Amino acid sequence: DSGVTQTPKHLITATGQRVTLRCSPRSGDLSVYWYQQSLDQGLQFLIQYYNGEERAKGNILERFSAQQFPDLHSELNLSSLELGDSALYFCASSATGGGRQPQHFGDGTRLSIL
Amino acid sequence: SQKIEQNSEALNIQEGKTATLTCNYTNYSPAYLQWYRQDPGRGPVFLLLIRENEKEKRKERLKVTFDTTLKQSLFHITASQPADSATYLCALDMYRSSASKIIFGSGTRLSIRP
Repeated sequence: DSGVTQTPKHLITATGQRVTLRCSPRSGDLSVYWYQQSLDQGLQFLIQYYNGEERAKGNILERFSAQQFPDLHSELNLSSLELGDSALYFCASSATGGGRQPQHFGDGTRLSIL
Repeated sequence: SQKIEQNSEALNIQEGKTATLTCNYTNYSPAYLQWYRQDPGRGPVFLLLIRENEKEKRKERLKVTFDTTLKQSLFHITASQPADSATYLCALDMYRSSASKIIFGSGTRLSIRP
């Protein structure tokens, strides 16, 4: 058990809809990262938050947004959903940030767009 | 832009042999390189981290080497077992700061046959 909790585990919705994915980091970790993993692409970095502030951005679409709350949990909002957004979305956390620290991953939210 | 290549999409070896996985990167030389294991439907699990000034790191049956001249890391599993079957990902940090932009390789799917 990594200590990172993601909810929901599965989400099925339709094109054009909006969903929110939630992540609770490991106790004591200040950094949260979001990743997208689809079959034809590997693990793609989306965004990092550190202690409530955005710290680094990857190839995150404008339709996607995230935030980290004062209690350090994070939410990833996906809007105007398209079929291509179907993927596994992972959250990871680390104590602070930077490549010197391992990331601890949750088991992901599987998003299916019909 | 920075690229990571894991040169084998799949590797199939006999139990008891040493598995060697390769991770090559271009351009930017990371300060840290990490290896993760991912089982189907699960989040990646951190295995080892190696720093640019370290040539080699070991943990039980695992060994990682880091050659900044060749821009390559090798990941070895000695005395391999069927339970080692999984996808192995290498990852490097784009920035030498707490603002991580972690790039993952596409992974090597390792199968250990009895």
